[in-house]
Amino acid sequence: DAKTTQPNSMESNEEEPVHLPCNHSTISGTDYIHWYRQLPSQGPEYVIHGLTSNVNNRMASLAIAEDRKSSTLILHRATLRDAAVYYCISNAGGTSYGKLTFGQGTILTVHP
Amino acid sequence: DTEVTQTPKHLVMGMTNKKSLKCEQHMGHRAMYWYKQKAKKPPELMFVYSYEKLSINESVPSRFSPECPNSSLLNLHLHALQPEDSALYLCASSQVGRALGGQPQHFGDGTRLSIL
Repeated sequence: DAKTTQPNSMESNEEEPVHLPCNHSTISGTDYIHWYRQLPSQGPEYVIHGLTSNVNNRMASLAIAEDRKSSTLILHRATLRDAAVYYCISNAGGTSYGKLTFGQGTILTVHP
Repeated sequence: DTEVTQTPKHLVMGMTNKKSLKCEQHMGHRAMYWYKQKAKKPPELMFVYSYEKLSINESVPSRFSPECPNSSLLNLHLHALQPEDSALYLCASSQVGRALGGQPQHFGDGTRLSIL
């Protein structure tokens, strides 16, 4: 699995957009990019994933660089509930099991 | 509310005790996982089951013994644990497919285990 690098922490104001960056310079052609988040006292929660194209869902958008060496998770309007640790994970797409190797993640603080 | 249910939520046990953690899902997922998470650290994969067969054991000590008795249930049997095994134990499940790397995992809220 490719190693990912994220900032340790980021801050945002409520109702403003948040762009969480992730570098995965050693990613291979079949590695997916996943984002999970973990709120205090809860298990990780799936946010979004993609392979090559940008992806949107009800929670967020994922922008993947053309060379796939970096990606950005976009929360369009941050709420206080979005305060969490955000993990960017790159894992092998061709295997028969989804092994997730979590990095240290980015602690997102949202100010009212 | 999570679709992966883990019991118990909290467990305190002595080093000589035998206990089991239970995980249940009814989403029809055929891959199930155990992770261990120490305080302020990211989760670390322990075991992966695919179609009720053990696919990955990440060099976990034998005092942790996983079991997948059916497609909905995953157990983690604990015996002779050490204080450093105190952690949050997370269970997850996902679909199985050719591109399993692209399948989202659904996590439970974990069992917080304390070893005295």
